[in-house]
Amino acid sequence: QKEVEQNSGPLSVPEGAIASLNCTYSDRGSQSFFWYRQYSGKSPELIMSIYSNGDKEDGRFTAQLNKASQYVSLLIRDSQPSDSATYLCAVGANTGGFKTIFGAGTRLFVKA
Amino acid sequence: EAQVTQNPRYLITVTGKKLTVTCSQNMNHEYMSWYRQDPGLGLRQIYYSMNVEVTDKGDVPEGYKVSRKEKRNFPLILESPSPNQTSLYFCASSSPGSVPDTQYFGPGTRLTVL
Repeated sequence: QKEVEQNSGPLSVPEGAIASLNCTYSDRGSQSFFWYRQYSGKSPELIMSIYSNGDKEDGRFTAQLNKASQYVSLLIRDSQPSDSATYLCAVGANTGGFKTIFGAGTRLFVKA
Repeated sequence: EAQVTQNPRYLITVTGKKLTVTCSQNMNHEYMSWYRQDPGLGLRQIYYSMNVEVTDKGDVPEGYKVSRKEKRNFPLILESPSPNQTSLYFCASSSPGSVPDTQYFGPGTRLTVL
C-alpha cells in the first residue's frame, strides 16, 4: 500500500514565526509532489508543486524535496493568522496507475 | 472563469436509494478524479479517468461507479448507498503531462446516508 504520512498536529506557531510542515512517502516511483492548503469546509487549493530534489521558493513558501530520504517539507516564513488551515501533502506516481495519494493533513494554527 | 463544478453541494438520502453526483470542468482537462474526505483519513481516491472512456479504480472504489462519456463530465454514481458512504466528496481535474500534475478541485458535495 503506497502511503503518504504527515503529523496531524495541530502545529501552533506565533505570528511572524516560521512554520515547518513535514511529509514522508513510501513509493520510490513517485515523481511529483504537492502541498495543498484547505480551509475548514472548503476545497483544497495548491500552494506549491515540486518535481526535483532541492528547494523551491515562492513568496513566503519554500518546498523542499529529498527523494533519497523520501521526504518533502513546506516552510512558511512570516506566518500570518490567515495561514491557519490544514496543509495536505500529495504525491503523484505513474507506477501502477496514474494516481495522486494524499496525506491526512497537518493542522496549522498561527496565533496573533 | 476556469472552474470545476459539482452538484448537488449537499445531499441527504436513505440507504439503498440510487444517486448521482455530477462533476463538470471547463478547462479541457484530460484527467479527472473523485475523492472522499473523512476526518483523520484525508483525501482518498475513489476513481480516476485519464480521458474519455478510460477509467480506473483508486484506493476505495467499492460501492461506487463512474463513467466518462464526455471530456468535461465525470459523474459519480452510488447504486445502493450505505451509511458508511456518508462523507465529503471532491471532484478534481488536471492536464497531466508525463507525471501527475496540479489538480483543481470542485467545491465539494457533503453526502449523508441515513
